[in-house]
Amino acid sequence: NAGVMQNPRHLVRRRGQEARLRCSPMKGHSHVYWYRQLPEEGLKFMVYLQKENIIDESGMPKERFSAEFPKEGPSILRIQQVVRGDSAAYFCASSWGTEAFFGQGTRLTVV
Amino acid sequence: QKEVEQDPGPLSVPEGAIVSLNCTYSNSAFQYFMWYRQYSRKGPELLMYTYSSGNKEDGRFTAQVDKSSKYISLFIRDSQPSDSATYLCAMSGGGNNRLAFGKGNQVVVIP
Repeated sequence: NAGVMQNPRHLVRRRGQEARLRCSPMKGHSHVYWYRQLPEEGLKFMVYLQKENIIDESGMPKERFSAEFPKEGPSILRIQQVVRGDSAAYFCASSWGTEAFFGQGTRLTVV
Repeated sequence: QKEVEQDPGPLSVPEGAIVSLNCTYSNSAFQYFMWYRQYSRKGPELLMYTYSSGNKEDGRFTAQVDKSSKYISLFIRDSQPSDSATYLCAMSGGGNNRLAFGKGNQVVVIP
């Protein structure tokens, strides 16, 4: 049973481009969480999704950020028109309801 | 008051000492309590998972939950340099399964 898979591991985007981060949850897990981590800081909750539904997006910036978890395929975190302040590590976690398991993250660098 | 409070440290201890970490929380609906270990530039790794109040032991690690005080602890006995990492507490419950994280506590075990 593969763990939580995130890709790409590293992503470089120029300001104004779009970034698409993918997360494939563990087999059997229907809950996906996205977190952002800035250097030397803790994990900041962004969004919690179940299949085809956004349950809690209270941590998502209101503009430029969106997330989806379709019936088939990975969860996608999309950042439009990236700015330098979006540079961070983005972690995805999955669970079937209680404890969650994390992927290795995508490190986004905006240049 | 923040939902989960965790003193970010850092905490330096000599090899072989006991490491004591703790978190407090405000949401009495939390029922599931987790400790994660995060090495630099890696994803958080689930260390301990506890449901409701009580103690749980796994090798050199002991997790304690005191729901009446809204206080959880992690103890690491006979600490090793390989235990040097950031330790994050997390908890969930109350219906929406959203994980709430502490800021993380950086631990350095000095050989």
